[in-house]
Amino acid sequence: EVRLVESGGGLVKPGGSLRLSCAASGFTFNNAWMSWVRQAPGKGLEWVGRIKIKADGGATDYAAPVKGRFTISRDDSKNTLYLQLNSLKIEDTAVYYCATEVRSLAYYMDVWGKGTTVTVSS
Amino acid sequence: SYVLTQPPSVSVAPGKTARIACEGNNIGSKIVVWYQQKPGQAPVVVIYYNSDRPSGIPERFSGSNSGNTATLTISRVEAGDEADYYCQVWDSGSDYVFGSGTKVTVL
Repeated sequence: EVRLVESGGGLVKPGGSLRLSCAASGFTFNNAWMSWVRQAPGKGLEWVGRIKIKADGGATDYAAPVKGRFTISRDDSKNTLYLQLNSLKIEDTAVYYCATEVRSLAYYMDVWGKGTTVTVSS
Repeated sequence: SYVLTQPPSVSVAPGKTARIACEGNNIGSKIVVWYQQKPGQAPVVVIYYNSDRPSGIPERFSGSNSGNTATLTISRVEAGDEADYYCQVWDSGSDYVFGSGTKVTVL
């Protein structure tokens, strides 16, 4: 069974940092492009960023609101994806989901974790 | 940046048909994916490649895409279809773009 499990969420003050993890199982993790998507309370889905596989250079892409503050990395030996959140703002409060990407005729996210909640508040 | 617009809500009686529009500039030239999200749960793909259904998704779910509007149609609506629905495309300038979401209420 393909499974993604996020962890690491919590309450943090504005300007603080947090590292989220996403443990993957049931598929060949080192062959999967991975994305983070977030959802603020009562709001819609917002793509945060992605990391490509090592064979594609392992490059990262980020959405404009988080570029320069968030960093995505992966440890293929541990089948784990990470999201480092720095310089957090109140508007970063959200449920953060990790997801596998499908990159074929269409690009979309087919397997999602259950999410982990990040609350930024003083 | 590319923008997708959906109606905030759609109400439908059980057994009837719900249609959810997703509007975007020349969206017919892009490939649309639809997600269903129930309260407290992660999104699930219900339509990909404009009109294909993943295994396990009922035939009652169908999709179309032309011109400036993509449409998700849910036939013979059931109480279990009550959820938020999001359209999504990939745009070379914006990467992943999600619609604003539509809450489907079964009366």
